[in-house]
Amino acid sequence: DQQVKQNSPSLSVQEGRISILNCDYTNSMFDYFLWYKKYPAEGPTFLISISSIKDKNEDGRFTVFLNKSAKHLSLHIVPSQPGDSAVYFCAASAGSGGYQKVTFGTGTKLQVIP
Amino acid sequence: AAGVIQSPRHLIKEKRETATLKCYPIPRHDTVYWYQQGPGQDPQFLISFYEKMQSDKGSIPDRFSAQQFSDYHSELNMSSLELGDSALYFCASSFRTSGSQTQYFGPGTRLLVL
Repeated sequence: DQQVKQNSPSLSVQEGRISILNCDYTNSMFDYFLWYKKYPAEGPTFLISISSIKDKNEDGRFTVFLNKSAKHLSLHIVPSQPGDSAVYFCAASAGSGGYQKVTFGTGTKLQVIP
Repeated sequence: AAGVIQSPRHLIKEKRETATLKCYPIPRHDTVYWYQQGPGQDPQFLISFYEKMQSDKGSIPDRFSAQQFSDYHSELNMSSLELGDSALYFCASSFRTSGSQTQYFGPGTRLLVL
């Protein structure tokens, strides 16, 4: 049962344009959402997170939007750079206290074309 | 800034052997998580520890055990290794006491079982 879904396995974007990565979840208990960037054979690198009490969080070129009613979140990267090419994982956790396991989506491979 | 350290980075074992993976969390982090990522799959949660006590358990086989020590480092012990145990094993840490839910991942240990 995949509780966090990333329906687009891959995405290609021109350098300088916006990259939009989407994520859907089914577990209404999730209250904290994260995006990780991952290169092959390396650990996931934390990018940005959002709590369920917010609908938007911004950090530099990265913005995460959360639509709780639709159980949907998205990561916007503007402007996209070739160095952004990697696999992006959406992740979610449930419960306060910071000790709950993170459930990962299946990942979206982003390619930014120079 | 100091990151999560995992050792060894690569490990080759034969079937039915044992393996021990080590994880050193970011200084001051009190919670450690273990994940397993098979080829072409998203990371799957195995087990977590908070303040040296097991706090959550996922899809960890009975052949595996783990613990967190007084210096907060953690070890994942894997016995009677099977071919299907070949995977990337990630450790992550977080600072639960501060209320943070962000997990920071190590570079992973690549285990190959022959």
